Amino acid sequence: DQQVKQNSPSLSVQEGRISILNCDYTNSMFDYFLWYKKYPAEGPTFLISISSIKDKNEDGRFTVFLNKSAKHLSLHIVPSQPGDSAVYFCAVLYSGAGSYQLTFGKGTKLSVIP
Amino acid sequence: DGGITQSPKYLFRKEGQNVTLSCEQNLNHDAMYWYRQDPGQGLRLIYYSQIVNDFQKGDIAEGYSVSREKKESFPLTVTSAQKNPTAFYLCASSSPGTGGYEQYFGPGTRLTVT
Repeated sequence: DQQVKQNSPSLSVQEGRISILNCDYTNSMFDYFLWYKKYPAEGPTFLISISSIKDKNEDGRFTVFLNKSAKHLSLHIVPSQPGDSAVYFCAVLYSGAGSYQLTFGKGTKLSVIP
Repeated sequence: DGGITQSPKYLFRKEGQNVTLSCEQNLNHDAMYWYRQDPGQGLRLIYYSQIVNDFQKGDIAEGYSVSREKKESFPLTVTSAQKNPTAFYLCASSSPGTGGYEQYFGPGTRLTVT
């Protein structure tokens, strides 16, 4: 059973508008959350993260929101640019497990239309 | 210039042959990981190592083997026992001991077995 779900396989957004990518998780023990961006045939690139003690973290055009009660996180990209077109993966971690394993969602393919 | 290197970028093998994928990092990270990505899937953990001379199975370790003789290197062998070896393989590293839960990825190796 998937512990991390990205329910939208794809998303299209007009250049300059906001992109919102969503991620749901099942285990309330997860306490660290990350977003990665991946181009085809390349390794994922770390974008932004948030710990469970916060509900928002911002870095330039990227903001991650965490709603612990809903077990939901989202990534906002404002304004969206054509270069943002990629697959975005959310990942979660339980730091108390001692293994520091990340569990990834299946990804959402974002297309930013010029 | 710090980073993770994986070689080769593309690898072709005949069925029944073992093949070893290289992963080297100069980030001084203690932990290293191997993932596999299949089309439409997220990243699935094969093996990980938190310290030299120690490694643990991930979610899909069957048909794979690893070694961690040096901090910088974490090679992955895909054995003939792996039923579906054709995939994109990604190596990553992190420094969880210093609170660095983010994993940083190499460029990946595309393995094709025919």
